[in-house]
This record gives sequence, C-alpha cells and structure tokens, in this order.
Amino acid sequence: NAGVMQNPRHLVRRRGQEARLRCSPMKGHSHVYWYRQLPEEGLKFMVYLQKENIIDESGMPKERFSAEFPKEGPSILRIQQVVRGDSAAYFCASSSDGNTEAFFGQGTRLTVV
Amino acid sequence: TQLLEQSPQFLSIQEGENLTVYCNSSSVFSSLQWYRQEPGEGPVLLVTVVTGGEVKKLKRLTFQFGDARKDSSLHITAAQPGDTGLYLCAGARARGSNYKLTFGKGTLLTVNP
Repeated sequence: NAGVMQNPRHLVRRRGQEARLRCSPMKGHSHVYWYRQLPEEGLKFMVYLQKENIIDESGMPKERFSAEFPKEGPSILRIQQVVRGDSAAYFCASSSDGNTEAFFGQGTRLTVV
Repeated sequence: TQLLEQSPQFLSIQEGENLTVYCNSSSVFSSLQWYRQEPGEGPVLLVTVVTGGEVKKLKRLTFQFGDARKDSSLHITAAQPGDTGLYLCAGARARGSNYKLTFGKGTLLTVNP
C-alpha cells in the first residue's frame, strides 16, 4: 500500500497523558498536512510541514500541540496533557508540493477518557 | 463562522434515483474539491474544479463550479448503494494555498437498495 499511512488507527489516552500520532506520507511526497475532525464539525486545518520545516501552523492550538517532520521518519503530531476536548479524528494528508492535490490517510481516532 | 455550507445535511434515497447536493459560500475560492468519506476512513478525493462555470464528469457523478467560484454542486445519476457515504466539499482560498483547505460539514448520503 503506497498511500498515506497513519498509526495508530485508534488511540485511547487518560486525561493528562501525552498522545503521539504518526504519519508516513505517500512515496515521493515531501509535504504533509494535519487536519482535525471534531464530532459534528468539518475537518479543520492544523499545520503544514515540509521536511524539517513548519510552513504554516496557523491552525494549531497555541498550547499543548506540536508537530514535526524530521529528515528521517514519519511526521509526528504530539498532544501533551490531553483533555476530553481533544477527542477527535486526526487526519494526515500529503502531496508532492504545496499546491497540488493532497491525499489523506485513514486517520487516527483519539479518545480521551 | 462556517465558510462552506453544504446542503442537505442528510439525504436518504432509493437505488436508481437522481440527486443533487450543494456547497455554498459567500467567499470566492481559487479551487474547490469534492471528497467522499466512508465511516472510519479518510476523505478520498473525487474531483478538483478550478475555473468558474467548469463542469466535470466522473462516471455517474457531475460536478459544477459556480461562475463566481463561490458555490458548487454534485449531481449523481441513478444512485447505487455503493454511492453511500459522506460527501465533503473543500475550498482553497488563494492560489498557492491548496494545502489550507476549508471544509464543509458534509452531506451524508444513504442509498437504499
């Protein structure tokens, strides 16, 4: 499967724990985007990264959330000290450049208990 | 503020019927994309429209972008149960920012056999 791979598919965390969501882009893609889909809401843009660079993080909450896309390995979305309101589906997408169509992964469904 | 309004929110029809779903905004978009999302999966891109008035066909699906690039419609002819899913429209506000899509909340279509 050469598509965007996200893991884990489902993640359960207790309030106050850290959540780490991983995304491996499609082969040949170096641009990664993270979106969040809250219950009853549309997908909302969070952050856009290229290898080792954050290009646009205008959709990221100011606290507890961070993202990286290292030179080697997957992109990571990290949520520290999770709260119930962080429960959502988090989707990663990738493209070959910032202006072409992006392909989405299957998502990570985070549940905070 | 919800920039992209999709209607209807829910639609349940019988196999063989035709249907149209709408995506409306007061804002101009440089491009607009339609996705289909199935439960537990990520959005799958169906089409991108760029030019005002553009019409694209994908088998039984016809997509139209409004002349003013503020709205779009998706028409399905002779719907089949396999068309069941959440149909999302997403717009890019400016050229060079296709990564920063604004999504509608979607139309949940159920096609009954």
